Amino acid sequence: DQQVKQNSPSLSVQEGRISILNCDYTNSMFDYFLWYKKYPAEGPTFLISISSIKDKNEDGRFTVFLNKSAKHLSLHIVPSQPGDSAVYFCAASPMNRDDKIIFGKGTRLHILP
Amino acid sequence: DVKVTQSSRYLVKRTGEKVFLECVQDMDHENMFWYRQDPGLGLRLIYFSYDVKMKEKGDIPEGYSVSREKKERFSLILESASTNQTSMYLCASRGSDVAGANVLTFGAGSRLTVL
Repeated sequence: DQQVKQNSPSLSVQEGRISILNCDYTNSMFDYFLWYKKYPAEGPTFLISISSIKDKNEDGRFTVFLNKSAKHLSLHIVPSQPGDSAVYFCAASPMNRDDKIIFGKGTRLHILP
Repeated sequence: DVKVTQSSRYLVKRTGEKVFLECVQDMDHENMFWYRQDPGLGLRLIYFSYDVKMKEKGDIPEGYSVSREKKERFSLILESASTNQTSMYLCASRGSDVAGANVLTFGAGSRLTVL
């Protein structure tokens, strides 16, 4: 049973436009949500996070939105750049720091020239 | 910056061989994790450790074991490698970002091929 779902395996976006990556979760006990970016043959790198007490967090070109009632979060990248082409993983963490972090299956983002 | 170092980037082993994957972190983090990444399956947790000599099974522990004798080192062991264990293995260490979220810092990964 997938607790964190990324329903789009891939997404193609024109350079300069907005990229929107979506993530749904089922467990209402999740307290923090994170996005990671992964290039081939490298480990994932942390991008941005959001606490369940907020509905938006912004860091440069990256903004994460959280809709708790819908159990949905999204990552917006504006403007999209060629270096943004990667696999993006959504992750969720309960408040208990000793508990595991659950990852989605990832969305591969292609930025088109 | 937290650094998580995985000793082997690429390994090729034969079916039935014993395989050790080593991971070291330099920020005194208590929690460490082993994941594997496979196309279409995302990141799946194999084992994690809260502290020295402590370990917990993740979602797919079968065929694997782990060792945490020192705080900075977390080893993944494949007792008898099989072809379905061909994968990218990722080690991670847990800290906190500015907002207090539980952020995992990953190593570069170890690509294991079992023939």
